[in-house]
Amino acid sequence: ETGVTQSPTHLIKTRGQQVTLRCSSQSGHNTVSWYQQALGQGPQFIFQYYREEENGRGNFPPRFSGLQFPNYSSELNVNALELDDSALYLCASSLLRDRLSSDEQFFGPGTRLTVL
Amino acid sequence: QKEVEQNSGPLSVPEGAIASLNCTYSDRGSQSFFWYRQYSGKSPELIMFIYSNGDKEDGRFTAQLNKASQYVSLLIRDSQPSDSATYLCAVKPMNSGYSTLTFGKGTMLLVSP
Repeated sequence: ETGVTQSPTHLIKTRGQQVTLRCSSQSGHNTVSWYQQALGQGPQFIFQYYREEENGRGNFPPRFSGLQFPNYSSELNVNALELDDSALYLCASSLLRDRLSSDEQFFGPGTRLTVL
Repeated sequence: QKEVEQNSGPLSVPEGAIASLNCTYSDRGSQSFFWYRQYSGKSPELIMFIYSNGDKEDGRFTAQLNKASQYVSLLIRDSQPSDSATYLCAVKPMNSGYSTLTFGKGTMLLVSP
């Protein structure tokens, strides 16, 4: 069984740039959730993709966007980077049997983004 | 605003002692509760989940849920220095329209040899 993987592990960008982060879900899972974790804080929900459609979104601006591919892998795109976007970006994989089911989420190793 | 509250700590316990980590949540309709462990610089690792009132035991870990008091806790028996980490409480709210988790800020646990 393959676990959740993310790439890249670290990234340094400057304000105004755009970034794409990638996530491969655990084998057998169909759902990917993205979280932002600032230093000293708990993870904050950005959005979730279930069967290639957005299945919910947290309180993040539209410059945070994403998609999910047929193999259930996912991308998080952030446009017009701001200094406050510096954080650990976590991808969590789960198996949802319907849009509202509650199954455990397993996290990937994360991508550390630094915006200068 | 649905919130999950945890004492940031650090909670310091000697090796072999019981560590008790607590969490309260504001959404009375919350239905699922999770405990994650996060080592410094690493991603959260799922330890336990609990859905029903009462206790759930898994090895040295026991999760306790009291929905009437909106309170969930994690007990770690025979604490080891390797248990030193930040423990995140996460809650799935009811009727959120989708399956996601609301996290607390975490409690740092330090287990001294």
